[in-house]
This record gives sequence, structure tokens and C-alpha cells, in this order.
Amino acid sequence: AQSVSQHNHHVILSEAASLELGCNYSYGGTVNLFWYVQYPGQHLQLLLKYFSGDPLVKGIKGFEAEFIKSKFSFNLRKPSVQWSDTAEYFCAVTTYSSASKIIFGSGTRLSIRP
Amino acid sequence: KAGVTQTPRYLIKTRGQQVTLSCSPISGHRSVSWYQQTPGQGLQFLFEYFSETQRNKGNFPGRFSGRQFSNSRSEMNVSTLELGDSALYLCASSLGETANTEAFFGQGTRLTVV
Repeated sequence: AQSVSQHNHHVILSEAASLELGCNYSYGGTVNLFWYVQYPGQHLQLLLKYFSGDPLVKGIKGFEAEFIKSKFSFNLRKPSVQWSDTAEYFCAVTTYSSASKIIFGSGTRLSIRP
Repeated sequence: KAGVTQTPRYLIKTRGQQVTLSCSPISGHRSVSWYQQTPGQGLQFLFEYFSETQRNKGNFPGRFSGRQFSNSRSEMNVSTLELGDSALYLCASSLGETANTEAFFGQGTRLTVV
């Protein structure tokens, strides 16, 4: 069965620090990859997605992610975080055979110190 | 355009009761998926409906059921509620016609079972 692993449960950074959140998935076939963000009290929002093409994907609010197929990874990065980036981040995957079923990672809570 | 609307936002029920949650997708979206979010299990896929047919189902007991109407609105029902059913229930809508599809989430219904 497909699964998604997020290695960091809680990350604490100071403003202007660089961010990298790890994500690995287990599935041998073609996948679509996503990062979602859930700000406190708000709904899940899509940060960025990878369907095909350039493995370096740019999303909203200065976030980017790199798909490395050989490592089954899709890590999220941001060069300089802001206090407003405080939120929970979820890596997720869908497969071509089951595109409507999103498999989520357990989430990483990001806390930014002002 | 209007986003995904879930009603009610909050619900308190007693063990053994049943509950119905409602989801109105984005106009033009034909796919509606449901997810359960808990601190312990994270985000788990319940089921997905497309054009009034259940197209995909997660690993939940038969007490969890759903349906979709001709206008794409969906309802989810949980019968014989248990304390462990307390969770945030999220609905997501998408066009759903191809594998490369993006899901948009509602604010969720917070269900508390006492």
C-alpha cells in the first residue's frame, strides 16, 4: 500500500532562517505529489503540486519542492521563513490508478519565532 | 468563485446516535472526497464520489457511508457513533475527470462524540 513519511513532527525556526521539510513516499508507479498547508483555524490549502516535467516545482509564498524519483522524495524548501509561515504542512501523494484518493503524511508543525 | 462549503461547522453528538454532514463543492466540480482528521491518525481518506457514484473507498467500517446528489452536493453519514469518531471531517472537491487533478478543501465539520 502507498504511504507517505514526513520525518519532522515539529520544527522550530527563527525568522529569516531557511526551511527544508522532508517527505518520502512508497509507491513504485507514477505519482502526483503535493504539499498542503493548514494555517491555524483555516482550511487545507495547496502550496504546490508536481504532476510531470521539471522536478523543481515552485509554489505560492516563496515555497518550492524538488522531486527526486530515485530517492522517492519530495522535500519542501523556503530560503527565508516568516512568522506568518507558522502552520502545519502536509506532504501528499496520489497515483494514476487512484487519483481521487489522497494519501497524506502525518504532517509537520512549523513554529516560527519572531 | 465560492469555495467548498461544509455544514455544520461544529456538532456534538452522543454515543450511539447518527450524524449527517453536508458538503457543497465548487461549482463545476463533479468529484467530492471525504477525509477524517484526528491527532492520532492524521488525515485519512474515507471515500470519493464522482457523478453520483462511489468511485473509491478507504478502510473505514460500514457505519461510515455517503452519497452524492445530481447537483454534486454530497452528504456523509455516520451511524452508531463511537467516542473514537470524534474528529474533523474534511470534504474536498475537484474536477475529477483526469488523474492530474487538484483538490480544494472545505473548512471542515468538527464532530465531538460524548
